[in-house]
Amino acid sequence: DAGITQSPRHKVTETGTPVTLRCHQTENHRYMYWYRQDPGHGLRLIHYSYGVKDTDKGEVSDGYSVSRSKTEDFLLTLESATSSQTSVYFCAMGPLREQYFGPGTRLTVT
Amino acid sequence: DQQVKQNSPSLSVQEGRISILNCDYTNSMFDYFLWYKKYPAEGPTFLISISSIKDKNEDGRFTVFLNKSAKHLSLHIVPSQPGDSAVYFCAAGYRDDKIIFGKGTRLHILP
Repeated sequence: DAGITQSPRHKVTETGTPVTLRCHQTENHRYMYWYRQDPGHGLRLIHYSYGVKDTDKGEVSDGYSVSRSKTEDFLLTLESATSSQTSVYFCAMGPLREQYFGPGTRLTVT
Repeated sequence: DQQVKQNSPSLSVQEGRISILNCDYTNSMFDYFLWYKKYPAEGPTFLISISSIKDKNEDGRFTVFLNKSAKHLSLHIVPSQPGDSAVYFCAAGYRDDKIIFGKGTRLHILP
C-alpha cells in the first residue's frame, strides 16, 4: 500500500454546514494534493501543498480552504457546504509525475 | 477550455484483443504525459508515463505512444484482460506546474 488514507470515507451533510476532510500519509512525502472527481469533469485540482504551512490554490479552489500543520496531515475544509460541492474527493501525495492517491471520500451535501 | 481531451467516454474490447485508448492535448508546452487507472470505489493508480522527448514507452502489456505533431497520445494494452476493465485517465504536465487530467475513458473487457 502507498500509505495514504482518507477520513471519513463517506459523509452526508446539510447545506451551510462546515465540513473537514482529512488526508493522512505515512510516507513523509513533501507534496500533497486535493482533487475532486465529478462526472464529465475527470479529476480537478482543488489545492496542493509543497510542505508544512506551504499551500497553494488549484483550478477549483473557490469555497475550499486547506491546512498542513504536519507533514503527514493535509486537511480540506468546506467552510459552508453547498450542493455543488457534492463530489468524490481524492487526496494524493508524491511528485507530480507519479502521484499516489488515497481511496477517496464521497461527500453528499443535501 | 479543455487542455487534455479524452473524446471516447467508453470503449468495449474483447478479452485477448488490443485495447487502444486515445488522448489529445492542446498545450504544446506539456513536457510529460501520464496514464492512471481507476477501479470503482478506489483512488486512481499510476500506470505509465512518457516524456515529450520520446515517442514510445513500454511497460509489460502497456505501451504509450506520443505523436507531438498531432498533439496526440495513445495507450495500448495487449492482450486485454478482464482486470483491465476500469476508467483510464490521461494527464499532462509542464515542469513543476500542476498536471491536467482528462475526463477519463471507461474500458470494458468482454469475455
